Amino acid sequence: GEDVEQSLFLSVREGDSSVINCTYTDSSSTYLYWYKQEPGAGLQLLTYIFSNMDMKQDQRLTVLLNKKDKHLSLRIADTQTGDSAIYFCAERGNTDKLIFGTGTRLQVFP
Amino acid sequence: NAGVTQTPKFQVLKTGQSMTLQCAQDMNHNSMYWYRQDPGMGLRLIYYSASEGTTDKGEVPNGYNVSRLNKREFSLRLESAAPSQTSVYFCASSASIGSEQYFGPGTRLTVT
Repeated sequence: GEDVEQSLFLSVREGDSSVINCTYTDSSSTYLYWYKQEPGAGLQLLTYIFSNMDMKQDQRLTVLLNKKDKHLSLRIADTQTGDSAIYFCAERGNTDKLIFGTGTRLQVFP
Repeated sequence: NAGVTQTPKFQVLKTGQSMTLQCAQDMNHNSMYWYRQDPGMGLRLIYYSASEGTTDKGEVPNGYNVSRLNKREFSLRLESAAPSQTSVYFCASSASIGSEQYFGPGTRLTVT
């Protein structure tokens, strides 16, 4: 079946870059998404990438997709304390529904 | 535009009680979803509605029912609450199945 995996925690110093990784199993995925969840709030769409792309950049965010290895990453440049949140990756699988990973809790310390 | 709204924000139930979680969206989206979020398990799809008039089971539908009341509203009902249903419930909507989803703020439910 479809499965999306992420590491649970990441801790970085303010000003450094953060890299959040995600692996998925469905090779027919068409779109892959990154969502951010701040404490006590719902999920907010950050960015997405189409499966025929290798990279997408949006201001401080860079998404890299390695389709061969089914690996997706989100790089946040110049990480700030306001970036502390849980980050979810999600794939649009062959059923057209989104399959979410378990989320990575990013903690930014001064 | 309010986006996706959910009521209530918090609820405490005793085992065996029933309740309905309400969700509404004002983005004219066709598809709506209900998820539950538990620690270490990410989001799991309970039910979804691809379009007005249709509903389908997701990954964890047992103990729940849904109603797509109209294009805007999608409710989730717990007929006989159990402690295992203690969770945070999120409603989401999208223009169509598979397109980016927009989430409500969530309902934190505790069943004692």
